[in-house]
Amino acid sequence: DAGVTQSPTHLIKTRGQQVTLRCSPKSGHDTVSWYQQALGQGPQFIFQYYEEEERQRGNFPDRFSGHQFPNYSSELNVNALLLGDSALYLCASSLTGRVDTQYFGPGTRLTVL
Amino acid sequence: AQRVTQPEKLLSVFKGAPVELKCNYSYSGSPELFWYVQYSRQRLQLLLRHISRESIKGFTADLNKGETSFHLKKPFAQEEDSAMYYCALTTGFQKLVFGTGTRLLVSP
Repeated sequence: DAGVTQSPTHLIKTRGQQVTLRCSPKSGHDTVSWYQQALGQGPQFIFQYYEEEERQRGNFPDRFSGHQFPNYSSELNVNALLLGDSALYLCASSLTGRVDTQYFGPGTRLTVL
Repeated sequence: AQRVTQPEKLLSVFKGAPVELKCNYSYSGSPELFWYVQYSRQRLQLLLRHISRESIKGFTADLNKGETSFHLKKPFAQEEDSAMYYCALTTGFQKLVFGTGTRLLVSP
């Protein structure tokens, strides 16, 4: 089991563009959470998907949206990119909506120019 | 609002010295607290959680509700303990709130 996988590893975009990040959960996990980690900061919760629905959302604007597929994989979409969206985006998977069983992926480094 | 504070950005100690990484939280209810660790070029991973009351890699952490603290301790630091450490809390088991992290550097 490769654990949680994320793609791409790195991404460079310009302001105003849109980006899609992908996450495959650890085998057997059905819940995916997304976090944004700016330089020098701890991860900040964006949202969680369980049973293909957004179950919890952090303090992020509507430009951040997501999706979960029937195979439990997930996408994070960010529209109208801002310079401040530059960060490491972490995906974490867990069981039945609980974070105490959470495993993290390696992250996608997004740079917005 | 829930908040986790890690006052030290960097903690530098010598091998064999005791280590204490501080974590304070603000939440009026009963949160569950975690310590996560990120070794160089590795992904973030769970080190320990207060509810399990176990010692992992020689680290322990006690939840002090009176002082709203969850400090991470180890009596004798090893070079391989050098890493980034994050304290986190959850109140409904649906999201984690992280602190800003403390970098532990253990010198020989």
